[in-house]
Amino acid sequence: QSALTQPASVSGSPGQSITISCTGTSSDIGNYKYVSWYQQYPGKAPKLLIYEVTYRPSGVSNRFSGSKSGNTASLTISGLQAEDEADYYCSSFTRTNIVVFGGGTTLTVL
Amino acid sequence: QVQLVQSGAEVKKPGASVRISCKTSGYTLTTYYVHWVRQAPGQGLEWMGIIKFSGGGTRYAQKFQGRVTMTRDTSANTVFLEMTSLRSEDTAVYYCATRYYDDGCADYWGPGTLVSVSS
Repeated sequence: QSALTQPASVSGSPGQSITISCTGTSSDIGNYKYVSWYQQYPGKAPKLLIYEVTYRPSGVSNRFSGSKSGNTASLTISGLQAEDEADYYCSSFTRTNIVVFGGGTTLTVL
Repeated sequence: QVQLVQSGAEVKKPGASVRISCKTSGYTLTTYYVHWVRQAPGQGLEWMGIIKFSGGGTRYAQKFQGRVTMTRDTSANTVFLEMTSLRSEDTAVYYCATRYYDDGCADYWGPGTLVSVSS
């Protein structure tokens, strides 16, 4: 099972909105609602930001939102803040009942 | 407060095996699913597999089938990851992470266990 495809890096200025894409196939993102997003700071464990494409766990800022169209899922961060500078990973359930991650995207807040 | 406590760092030689533990604090794993995810230095996250704590059913990523075994000790509220035939490419931080549902994600993560494989 191949990893999902994410851009290696994105950047934005404080207050702006950015979107990180995550492209899979019909064997994962395209046919499953179980798409998740994580935030990870250097040296720390990942934190769940989004599950089931659009849902935020309790305590996650509503500046983070998820969506999906076809085989591509997206994470949008609005009102960018310095503290959002981190690595972001998408993941998806697959037709073989395993989980696959994206390669990760480094967000730089300019 | 929910916490996952993992065993300490390991240094192994190529060809050896390693066993990492993950114990919960603050709740019981009885109805939870536990994922194992690893991250090589400077690299992304890699899903290894999942174990259902009640019943012990497992699913592994194809890459790790035959080399990885996930087990649990219900009396100790602990899960284990064992990996055999270690090679240098297995040097990574290994995370356990849990979720009440089997929906492909995890909301509680352990701090990670560094496994270094070097001759």
